[in-house]
Order: sequence, then C-alpha cells, then structure tokens
Amino acid sequence: EAQVTQNPRYLITVTGKKLTVTCSQNMNHEYMSWYRQDPGLGLRQIYYSMNVEVTDKGDVPEGYKVSRKEKRNFPLILESPSPNQTSLYFCASSLFPNNQPQHFGDGTRLSIL
Amino acid sequence: TQLLEQSPQFLSIQEGENLTVYCNSSSVFSSLQWYRQEPGEGPVLLVTVVTGGEVKKLKRLTFQFGDARKDSSLHITAAQPGDTGLYLCAGLSGTYKYIFGTGTRLKVLA
Repeated sequence: EAQVTQNPRYLITVTGKKLTVTCSQNMNHEYMSWYRQDPGLGLRQIYYSMNVEVTDKGDVPEGYKVSRKEKRNFPLILESPSPNQTSLYFCASSLFPNNQPQHFGDGTRLSIL
Repeated sequence: TQLLEQSPQFLSIQEGENLTVYCNSSSVFSSLQWYRQEPGEGPVLLVTVVTGGEVKKLKRLTFQFGDARKDSSLHITAAQPGDTGLYLCAGLSGTYKYIFGTGTRLKVLA
C-alpha cells in the first residue's frame, strides 16, 4: 500500500532534549516536505527536499534541521526543542513538486514542556 | 512572506444548502491545490488547477482558478454531512515551495 509513515504519532518531551521525527515513503517520490499545523495558521512549510541530498528552507525553518540521505526517508530534527515548537507536524511526498498530489502522513503531535 | 487567506474560517450549514469557500492572495501561483482534512489524518488532495480561469468539477464540488492565478474558489452544491471537514487551499510558489491557506472548517448538519 502506498503510504507516508511518520513516527512517533505522539511525543511529550522537555525543552532542550534533542528529538527526531522520522518520515518514510514507499512510492519512490522525489519531492518531500515537512509542515507544521497550528490553529488559525493553517499548514506552514518548514523544509522541503527536491531529491537526495537536496533540501531547502520553507517559510518557518528556524529551530529545525532535515536530511535526505536516501530517497525514501526525510527525518525532521529538533536539536534543542522549545515550547513554541509544540505543534502538529506533517510529512508529505509527491512524485514531483509541481502539479502532483502531495501524499501526507497521519501527523505527529509534539508537545514541548 | 506570501499569504493565502481563506474565507470564511468557519461555516455551519444545513444539508442541501450550497456554499462557496474563497482562497485569496496578492501573489501569483504556478498552480493551486485544494485538500480536505479529517480529524486525526493528513490532508487529502481534491483537485489541482493550473491554468488561469480553469474550472474543474468533482461531483458536487466545483473549483475555479482566478484569471490572474492569485485566487481560487470552491463551490459545493447541495452539501451533505459527508462533506464535513477542514478545507485547505495550497498554492505552489515558483517550482518547489507550497503556501497553504488558513483553512475553512465546514460542518454540514443533517
């Protein structure tokens, strides 16, 4: 089954403790992206990747890192999480960025205390 | 920063009524997508519009891309409870960057 898998689905942690949210897709998609969703703000793009080893900043990249060492994986890293990064995070992938549907994971709800 | 403003933010209507959701920006987009999101899930694509003035229909849903590719609308005819959800528009800025609207939460009452 074609899917985008995120882990974990839920995480409660403390300020400053490094964490990684994994994202994996099995559709051989070139384009992958991370978003955060906050009430009243919609989805905001954090980082995107056009292909292996090619990444770029979205609208809200501060405090986040990503890597794309393999085509299927696109982890989101919070080196020193802060409470303002408490949010619902979505990973998405598409064959190409333009005019192709983005397939979203089911989300990761992150709480930073 | 590019913005996509959606209106209305919330909409509660009776089954059988018609409605229109708007997605507006001062920026031009390469293409525009509409998604629907259910609680606890990621957004799911409904449609992509690419050409200025383009109109696409998906059963009772009609999508239009503005002539100048800065705005879009979603019209639902004879809404049903199954249409309930969060509707999001997303514009492709340039080649790689997506800008999402703030969302319209629709509730259709039986």
